[in-house]
Amino acid sequence: AQSVTQPDIHITVSEGASLELRCNYSYGATPYLFWYVQSPGQGLQLLLKYFSGDTLVQGIKGFEAEFKRSQSSFNLRKPSVHWSDAAEYFCAVGASNYQLIWGAGTKLIIKP
Amino acid sequence: NAGVTQTPKFRVLKTGQSMTLLCAQDMNHEYMYWYRQDPGMGLRLIHYSVGEGTTAKGEVPDGYNVSRLKKQNFLLGLESAAPSQTSVYFCASSGGNRGQAGYTFGSGTRLTVV
Repeated sequence: AQSVTQPDIHITVSEGASLELRCNYSYGATPYLFWYVQSPGQGLQLLLKYFSGDTLVQGIKGFEAEFKRSQSSFNLRKPSVHWSDAAEYFCAVGASNYQLIWGAGTKLIIKP
Repeated sequence: NAGVTQTPKFRVLKTGQSMTLLCAQDMNHEYMYWYRQDPGMGLRLIHYSVGEGTTAKGEVPDGYNVSRLKKQNFLLGLESAAPSQTSVYFCASSGGNRGQAGYTFGSGTRLTVV
């Protein structure tokens, strides 16, 4: 079955520290992979996407993600987080039936 | 530069009342989606549309109806609201059939059914 797993419901990181949010997927074909961010009270915004080619993709706001086919993972990283990065982050895979399959989200908390 | 606009932003309904949520996009996208978001449950797809005049059921369609009479608009209706439909509703649109161009989301409608 197609699925996306974000193992961490919450992550707390100190401002200025590095960040890695985990995402594992289960999908039979070549996946289209996405990371979205949702700030409090807002809709979701696309951070970055992977379709093919270079497995390290750059996104907005200084985020990057690495696709690892052997691990079925698409982890999101940022070298140094800012207080404004506090938000909920969603990983998704593009399914063939016009839909995205969503992870449950990881809430990022930034410690001053 | 509007993108996806949802109206209303907030609404309180009494059990049994009906309402329609409107989603409008100005990007000429073929695909449109209605999601609900509940704490700890992520995004769940209610209905979607792959073009003007088409609709299809998503993961949680019961209690909702939709219509896509014009390409730019996607309406979500609640015929008889129930407390279980208290949620935040998001509309999204996409130009690709696997979301290749990414989804553009509206800012949401917070609905409370009492």
